[in-house]
Amino acid sequence: EPEVTQTPSHQVTQMGQEVILRCVPISNHLYFYWYRQILGQKVEFLVSFYNNEISEKSEIFDDQFSVERPDGSNFTLKIRSTKLEDSAMYFCASSVHGNLVYSNQPQHFGDGTRLSIL
Amino acid sequence: KQEVTQIPAALSVPEGENLVLNCSFTDSAIYNLQWFRQDPGKGLTSLLLIQSSQREQTSGRLNASLDKSSGRSTLYIAASQPGDSATYLCASRTGANNLFFGTGTRLTVIP
Repeated sequence: EPEVTQTPSHQVTQMGQEVILRCVPISNHLYFYWYRQILGQKVEFLVSFYNNEISEKSEIFDDQFSVERPDGSNFTLKIRSTKLEDSAMYFCASSVHGNLVYSNQPQHFGDGTRLSIL
Repeated sequence: KQEVTQIPAALSVPEGENLVLNCSFTDSAIYNLQWFRQDPGKGLTSLLLIQSSQREQTSGRLNASLDKSSGRSTLYIAASQPGDSATYLCASRTGANNLFFGTGTRLTVIP
Protein backbone atom coordinates (compact mmCIF):
# COMPACT_ATOMS: atom_id res chain seq x y z
CA GLU A 1 0.00 0.00 0.00
CA PRO A 2 1.37 3.47 -0.87
CA GLU A 3 2.65 5.43 2.09
CA VAL A 4 3.96 8.82 3.07
CA THR A 5 7.70 8.75 3.74
CA GLN A 6 9.64 11.23 5.84
CA THR A 7 13.37 11.85 6.20
CA PRO A 8 15.32 11.97 8.38
CA SER A 9 13.71 9.97 11.16
CA HIS A 10 15.67 11.97 13.74
CA GLN A 11 17.30 15.38 13.34
CA VAL A 12 19.48 17.02 15.98
CA THR A 13 20.23 20.70 15.44
CA GLN A 14 21.81 23.53 17.38
CA MET A 15 19.48 26.35 18.43
CA GLY A 16 19.47 29.13 15.84
CA GLN A 17 20.29 26.83 12.95
CA GLU A 18 18.08 26.24 9.95
CA VAL A 19 16.53 22.81 9.47
CA ILE A 20 14.67 21.26 6.55
CA LEU A 21 12.37 18.32 7.05
CA ARG A 22 11.51 16.28 3.99
CA CYS A 23 8.44 14.33 2.98
CA VAL A 24 7.38 12.33 -0.04
CA PRO A 25 3.56 12.25 -0.12
CA ILE A 26 1.55 9.51 -1.78
CA SER A 27 1.97 9.98 -5.51
CA ASN A 28 -1.61 10.72 -6.60
CA HIS A 29 -2.41 12.94 -3.63
CA LEU A 30 -2.99 16.63 -4.15
CA TYR A 31 -3.17 18.04 -0.62
CA PHE A 32 -0.25 18.09 1.76
CA TYR A 33 -0.01 18.90 5.45
CA TRP A 34 2.45 19.34 8.29
CA TYR A 35 1.56 18.64 11.91
CA ARG A 36 3.69 18.55 15.02
CA GLN A 37 3.47 16.77 18.34
CA ILE A 38 5.42 18.08 21.32
CA LEU A 39 6.24 15.25 23.70
CA GLY A 40 3.20 14.41 25.81
CA GLN A 41 0.93 16.86 24.02
CA LYS A 42 -1.67 16.77 21.26
CA VAL A 43 -0.92 16.56 17.59
CA GLU A 44 -1.24 20.12 16.27
CA PHE A 45 -1.91 21.36 12.76
CA LEU A 46 0.74 23.61 11.21
CA VAL A 47 -0.07 24.12 7.53
CA SER A 48 -1.86 22.72 4.51
CA PHE A 49 -0.68 23.10 0.93
CA TYR A 50 -2.43 22.74 -2.39
CA ASN A 51 -1.62 23.76 -5.94
CA ASN A 52 1.76 25.14 -4.90
CA GLU A 53 0.46 27.46 -2.26
CA ILE A 54 -0.53 27.47 1.39
CA SER A 55 -4.27 26.93 1.81
CA GLU A 56 -4.45 27.08 5.62
CA LYS A 57 -2.03 27.73 8.44
CA SER A 58 -2.23 27.84 12.20
CA GLU A 59 -0.93 30.47 14.58
CA ILE A 60 2.04 28.21 15.24
CA PHE A 61 3.17 28.59 11.62
CA ASP A 62 4.88 31.97 11.94
CA ASP A 63 7.50 33.67 9.77
CA GLN A 64 10.15 31.19 10.92
CA PHE A 65 8.38 28.41 9.05
CA SER A 66 8.03 27.88 5.33
CA VAL A 67 6.92 25.04 3.07
CA GLU A 68 7.85 24.18 -0.44
CA ARG A 69 7.24 21.59 -3.09
CA PRO A 70 10.57 21.85 -4.91
CA ASP A 71 9.79 19.14 -7.44
CA GLY A 72 7.02 16.72 -8.35
CA SER A 73 7.54 14.43 -5.39
CA ASN A 74 9.02 16.17 -2.36
CA PHE A 75 7.29 18.43 0.17
CA THR A 76 9.51 20.23 2.67
CA LEU A 77 9.14 22.13 5.92
CA LYS A 78 11.87 24.66 6.72
CA ILE A 79 12.46 26.26 10.09
CA ARG A 80 14.79 29.22 9.62
CA SER A 81 16.17 29.81 13.09
CA THR A 82 15.28 26.98 15.40
CA LYS A 83 14.31 27.51 19.04
CA LEU A 84 14.31 25.06 21.91
CA GLU A 85 10.51 24.95 21.82
CA ASP A 86 10.59 23.69 18.23
CA SER A 87 11.68 20.31 19.59
CA ALA A 88 8.87 17.95 18.62
CA MET A 89 7.84 15.13 16.31
CA TYR A 90 6.87 16.57 12.93
CA PHE A 91 4.38 14.64 10.83
CA CYS A 92 3.72 15.04 7.14
CA ALA A 93 0.35 13.96 5.76
CA SER A 94 -1.36 13.89 2.40
CA SER A 95 -4.83 13.33 1.01
CA VAL A 96 -6.25 12.80 -2.44
CA HIS A 97 -8.57 15.73 -2.01
CA GLY A 98 -8.85 18.38 0.66
CA ASN A 99 -11.85 20.49 -0.09
CA LEU A 100 -15.09 19.88 1.70
CA VAL A 101 -16.84 18.33 -1.28
CA TYR A 102 -14.64 15.34 -0.61
CA SER A 103 -15.11 15.07 3.12
CA ASN A 104 -14.80 11.30 2.92
CA GLN A 105 -11.09 11.46 2.09
CA PRO A 106 -8.80 10.56 4.97
CA GLN A 107 -5.40 12.10 5.61
CA HIS A 108 -2.52 9.62 5.51
CA PHE A 109 0.43 10.26 7.80
CA GLY A 110 4.13 9.47 7.65
CA ASP A 111 6.15 8.06 10.55
CA GLY A 112 7.42 11.50 11.49
CA THR A 113 10.75 13.24 12.02
CA ARG A 114 11.84 13.71 15.61
CA LEU A 115 13.48 17.14 15.81
CA SER A 116 15.71 17.80 18.79
CA ILE A 117 17.03 21.32 19.33
CA LEU A 118 20.09 21.64 21.57
CA LYS B 1 -11.72 26.84 18.29
CA GLN B 2 -12.52 23.13 18.29
CA GLU B 3 -11.53 21.30 21.47
CA VAL B 4 -11.32 17.51 21.34
CA THR B 5 -11.17 15.42 24.50
CA GLN B 6 -10.59 11.70 24.92
CA ILE B 7 -11.49 9.69 27.98
CA PRO B 8 -9.99 7.64 29.50
CA ALA B 9 -6.37 8.71 29.04
CA ALA B 10 -5.27 5.11 29.59
CA LEU B 11 -7.04 1.77 29.60
CA SER B 12 -5.83 -1.70 30.40
CA VAL B 13 -7.96 -4.75 29.54
CA PRO B 14 -7.47 -8.53 29.38
CA GLU B 15 -7.25 -10.14 25.97
CA GLY B 16 -10.60 -10.99 24.42
CA GLU B 17 -12.53 -8.21 26.08
CA ASN B 18 -14.69 -5.79 24.11
CA LEU B 19 -13.97 -2.13 24.81
CA VAL B 20 -15.12 1.39 24.00
CA LEU B 21 -12.98 4.48 23.60
CA ASN B 22 -14.61 7.89 23.85
CA CYS B 23 -14.05 11.13 22.00
CA SER B 24 -15.92 14.39 22.54
CA PHE B 25 -15.72 17.67 20.65
CA THR B 26 -17.02 21.13 21.37
CA ASP B 27 -17.98 22.32 17.88
CA SER B 28 -20.62 20.04 16.41
CA ALA B 29 -20.26 21.60 12.94
CA ILE B 30 -17.78 18.97 11.83
CA TYR B 31 -17.35 17.56 8.34
CA ASN B 32 -15.79 14.31 9.39
CA LEU B 33 -14.16 12.55 12.29
CA GLN B 34 -11.16 10.29 11.87
CA TRP B 35 -9.78 7.67 14.26
CA PHE B 36 -6.06 6.90 14.23
CA ARG B 37 -3.76 4.46 15.88
CA GLN B 38 -0.29 5.56 17.00
CA ASP B 39 2.37 3.04 17.95
CA PRO B 40 5.35 4.23 20.04
CA GLY B 41 7.81 6.20 17.91
CA LYS B 42 5.65 5.75 14.86
CA GLY B 43 3.30 7.83 12.77
CA LEU B 44 -0.46 7.81 12.71
CA THR B 45 -2.33 5.01 11.00
CA SER B 46 -5.81 5.93 9.84
CA LEU B 47 -8.39 3.42 11.09
CA LEU B 48 -11.79 4.81 10.23
CA LEU B 49 -13.29 8.03 8.91
CA ILE B 50 -16.91 8.96 9.53
CA GLN B 51 -18.48 11.68 7.49
CA SER B 52 -20.85 14.08 9.19
CA SER B 53 -23.80 12.52 7.39
CA GLN B 54 -22.97 9.05 8.71
CA ARG B 55 -23.75 7.46 12.07
CA GLU B 56 -21.14 4.73 12.03
CA GLN B 57 -18.37 3.00 10.13
CA THR B 58 -17.04 -0.51 10.51
CA SER B 59 -13.74 -2.12 9.62
CA GLY B 60 -13.12 -5.65 10.83
CA ARG B 61 -13.27 -5.68 14.64
CA LEU B 62 -13.54 -1.89 14.79
CA ASN B 63 -16.74 0.11 14.81
CA ALA B 64 -16.84 3.88 15.12
CA SER B 65 -19.99 5.84 15.81
CA LEU B 66 -20.73 9.53 15.54
CA ASP B 67 -23.36 11.64 17.28
CA LYS B 68 -22.85 15.18 16.07
CA SER B 69 -25.63 16.71 18.13
CA SER B 70 -24.06 15.57 21.38
CA GLY B 71 -20.50 16.12 20.16
CA ARG B 72 -19.41 12.53 20.68
CA SER B 73 -17.79 9.67 18.87
CA THR B 74 -16.92 6.21 20.13
CA LEU B 75 -14.54 3.57 18.88
CA TYR B 76 -15.62 0.04 19.72
CA ILE B 77 -13.00 -2.71 19.56
CA ALA B 78 -14.33 -6.26 19.65
CA ALA B 79 -12.40 -9.23 21.00
CA SER B 80 -9.29 -7.22 21.84
CA GLN B 81 -5.84 -8.68 21.11
CA PRO B 82 -2.37 -7.78 22.44
CA GLY B 83 -1.56 -6.37 18.99
CA ASP B 84 -4.26 -3.75 19.56
CA SER B 85 -2.06 -2.14 22.23
CA ALA B 86 -1.35 1.41 21.05
CA THR B 87 -2.52 4.97 21.53
CA TYR B 88 -5.79 5.76 19.80
CA LEU B 89 -6.43 9.30 18.62
CA CYS B 90 -9.57 10.91 17.30
CA ALA B 91 -9.48 14.02 15.13
CA SER B 92 -12.29 16.18 13.83
CA ARG B 93 -12.36 18.32 10.76
CA THR B 94 -14.39 21.51 10.79
CA GLY B 95 -14.58 24.09 8.01
CA ALA B 96 -10.88 24.60 7.72
CA ASN B 97 -8.68 22.12 5.92
CA ASN B 98 -7.05 20.73 9.03
CA LEU B 99 -7.68 18.24 11.81
CA PHE B 100 -8.13 18.92 15.52
CA PHE B 101 -6.75 16.06 17.58
CA GLY B 102 -7.59 14.71 20.99
CA THR B 103 -4.91 13.77 23.52
CA GLY B 104 -5.46 10.08 22.91
CA THR B 105 -6.24 6.95 24.88
CA ARG B 106 -3.34 4.61 25.59
CA LEU B 107 -4.67 1.06 25.34
CA THR B 108 -2.89 -1.96 26.78
CA VAL B 109 -4.30 -5.41 26.08
CA ILE B 110 -2.92 -7.96 28.52
CA PRO B 111 -2.35 -11.49 27.18
